Amino acid sequence: AQKITQTQPGMFVQEKEAVTLDCTYDTSDQSYGLFWYKQPSSGEMIFLIYQGSYDEQNATEGRYSLNFQKARKSANLVISASQLGDSAMYFCAMRGPASGGSYIPTFGRGTSLIVHP
Amino acid sequence: EPEVTQTPSHQVTQMGQEVILRCVPISNHLYFYWYRQILGQKVEFLVSFYNNEISEKSEIFDDQFSVERPDGSNFTLKIRSTKLEDSAMYFCASHPSRGRGNEQFFGPGTRLTVL
Repeated sequence: AQKITQTQPGMFVQEKEAVTLDCTYDTSDQSYGLFWYKQPSSGEMIFLIYQGSYDEQNATEGRYSLNFQKARKSANLVISASQLGDSAMYFCAMRGPASGGSYIPTFGRGTSLIVHP
Repeated sequence: EPEVTQTPSHQVTQMGQEVILRCVPISNHLYFYWYRQILGQKVEFLVSFYNNEISEKSEIFDDQFSVERPDGSNFTLKIRSTKLEDSAMYFCASHPSRGRGNEQFFGPGTRLTVL
């Protein structure tokens, strides 16, 4: 069974500073994928970044980067130069190997990020 | 950019009533999903759908729930007799057979309130 742990229920950061949101995972699969989603107060789920278990380089998408440490089973999200619009809930999720092309992600409980001006 | 759409954005219903939540996945996507998120909690998988049949379902997806793809575009979730604990945000998601990381594209959600 897969498990995602986000230990930080809430985080605060000053505008323009960087922030790291923690995510650890547990799985017996050799092939898996890790995702981060952002959920603003309006409720929609916005895909941010993906890291495959076999990817040798850490994923980056603009101001988002994923600090993937496979041996530690961690996949922390780093947001550089925080903006007020980054205030939201952030969910870490993982998927196992696709079965016939379908996969079911497991989500963590989320971290609430508040960016202060 | 194509996106997943969901209607209605908010549904209020009386306990025991049937509700149908509608989703239009991205047109070339083949895999469809429903999730729910009870207020303040994590996103939970309900069901996946491929090739006009259910691929997988969670223990939450009991006989009260059903899914259908009645035409080439809509994907619906029906709750036959709603309970108070069905109050949640329901997300539809889809993904193509191949893609970067197979990320799922989520719709904006339908907030279901059962009174």
